[in-house]
Amino acid sequence: GAVVSQHPSRVICKSGTSVKIECRSLDFQATTMFWYRQFPKQSLMLMATSNEGSKATYEQGVEKDKFLINHASLTLSTLTVTSAHPEDSSFYICSARDSGLAPLHFGNGTRLTVT
Amino acid sequence: GDSVTQMEGPVTLSEEAFLTINCTYTATGYPSLFWYVQYPGEGLQLLLKATKADDKGSNKGFEATYRKETTSFHLEKGSVQVSDSAVYFCALSDRRDSSYKLIFGSGTRLLVRP
Repeated sequence: GAVVSQHPSRVICKSGTSVKIECRSLDFQATTMFWYRQFPKQSLMLMATSNEGSKATYEQGVEKDKFLINHASLTLSTLTVTSAHPEDSSFYICSARDSGLAPLHFGNGTRLTVT
Repeated sequence: GDSVTQMEGPVTLSEEAFLTINCTYTATGYPSLFWYVQYPGEGLQLLLKATKADDKGSNKGFEATYRKETTSFHLEKGSVQVSDSAVYFCALSDRRDSSYKLIFGSGTRLLVRP
């Protein structure tokens, strides 16, 4: 079946540094990718929707200059957390589909810890 | 905006017990409804879905019926197994939104004891 690979699975960084998280669709072309953030014991919060070759659409309250999303190819989207702070520590999950009505496939998530 | 509310966990059951996880939604349109499952250390997987009122989604012994009158999509299983221990997420997608993005509930952790 379709697989979405997310890397790294876990990252620890120092406050003020930037971290890049990759999301790859391994056996299909992902026209749309979504980035979610999951707080402990809370729901997945949609951060942004990205379509290949165009700017991401951010949800209300998500800082687009802090969470940079690039969807440069049909198999790769990246989320860069810029100038990370401890409050950015969270579990980030990407998902992807190859067309509007196709099932959504999820990566295994990235646990970010900012010290 | 659209939202999903599901019962808080954790839900702890003995093997072969009956499972119900409640889910209700608020939507201005006519959403599609989903249940996703997240096993320990893994990503979310689609468990079942229903796209219109009175539809019943089913998979692996789990069922959920799209109830428009009560805006609910409760997840049920007649006899749970230890391997069903996971976090279950109810979600909706508004078909009027061209991105078909998913709005999730808060998740319910299920723990099944032998």
